[in-house]
Amino acid sequence: SAVISQKPSRDICQRGTSLTIQCQVDSQVTMMFWYRQQPGQSLTLIATANQGSEATYESGFVIDKFPISRPNLTFSTLTVSNMSPEDSSIYLCSVKGQGTDTQYFGPGTRLTVL
Amino acid sequence: DAKTTQPTSMDCAEGRAANLPCNHSTISGNEYVYWYRQIHSQGPQYIIHGLKNNETNEMASLIITEDRKSSTLILPHATLRDTAVYYCIVRATSNTGNQFYFGTGTSLTVIP
Repeated sequence: SAVISQKPSRDICQRGTSLTIQCQVDSQVTMMFWYRQQPGQSLTLIATANQGSEATYESGFVIDKFPISRPNLTFSTLTVSNMSPEDSSIYLCSVKGQGTDTQYFGPGTRLTVL
Repeated sequence: DAKTTQPTSMDCAEGRAANLPCNHSTISGNEYVYWYRQIHSQGPQYIIHGLKNNETNEMASLIITEDRKSSTLILPHATLRDTAVYYCIVRATSNTGNQFYFGTGTSLTVIP
């Protein structure tokens, strides 16, 4: 299984600011995904991070609010823009390697917006 | 992908087997059953998956009914560290997409 790290592990931010979350994998993977988990809720898929092209967003999520980059096969970033308290959540990076359909998850980034 | 239904919560005595059910009555022939768990404040952890046959690994066993409309995850000897939310996910394999969609899961509490 892939080893996935996320930075930062947690942050407290002010309303109206932006935060960029980094996801690093220890091996090349075919697919990378970003999920959000609001307090007390299950995981919701935000988008699929595509290498070399624009991310594919799920219904209810837009690029202006959650811009995503994926410059190579082992790294991706998610930015939470113009934050409000409603954006307080755990943000999780997930990957799928070549030759497998199993997804592995990072430890998450706990974001609190004041 | 087919929808799954799981009980909201369950308790299990430490050392006993924990049997977590999942209904997926609309499952298609090419859809696998996956199980993940999420211990508080951590990322989901892969447990096991299967298509038709029962599967076993070092963590758990997966029993899938013959009609594939339901399955059971078995933790043979539950410990306090098994307290977590367990997610049952049904998903087809393909070369595109492949993302998991999570339901609400079962909150398992292992009691000393």
